[in-house]
Amino acid sequence: DGGITQSPKYLFRKEGQNVTLSCEQNLNHDAMYWYRQDPGQGLRLIYYSQIVNDFQKGDIAEGYSVSREKKESFPLTVTSAQKNPTAFYLCASKVTGAETGELFFGEGSRLTVL
Amino acid sequence: QQQVKQSPQSLIVQKGGISIINCAYENTAFDYFPWYQQFPGKGPALLIAIRPDVSEKKEGRFTISFNKSAKQFSLHIMDSQPGDSATYFCAAGGGAGNNRKLIWGLGTSLAVNP
Repeated sequence: DGGITQSPKYLFRKEGQNVTLSCEQNLNHDAMYWYRQDPGQGLRLIYYSQIVNDFQKGDIAEGYSVSREKKESFPLTVTSAQKNPTAFYLCASKVTGAETGELFFGEGSRLTVL
Repeated sequence: QQQVKQSPQSLIVQKGGISIINCAYENTAFDYFPWYQQFPGKGPALLIAIRPDVSEKKEGRFTISFNKSAKQFSLHIMDSQPGDSATYFCAAGGGAGNNRKLIWGLGTSLAVNP
């Protein structure tokens, strides 16, 4: 079945540690996105990539980094510079050029900083 | 700055009743208005979407009403069921190419009592 796989589903880290969240898709979509979700704050865009080897900052990119070396993969690193990293992280993908295209989401990764 | 205002924040409806969630936007350049449904611990999924050239779109028990002059759109869930209990997000899309963005409302938590 086609879809987006995020791992791990739950992750705990100590303050000062970097952590990388995995996102893999087999939908053959060019565009991929990372969102952060906090209670009552909706979805906030961290980074997005329209094509391999290219990505842009979203609204809350500080303290995060990404790479897009393969079409299927868009990992997100939460660095120690992120002041409040505890959140639910969602990866999504979309067909590029489809301005009204559906965003397909993974099941999310919940990061807790101890 | 919240460009898409969603209300209410939470909603409780009896089984068989009508659930109504409202969204208002500011930017007249928006040209795509989707609603996403999210169950606990899962990623959002597209429920229904509308373009501004129509005033209403219906899919099963779900209807979007769109008022371009008032810059408002709403989701109506007819004959609400306990299985509809979820968080609903409205969004508004606009811009072209790499500048195209989806602006999200903060979400409405719907509980349908049996």
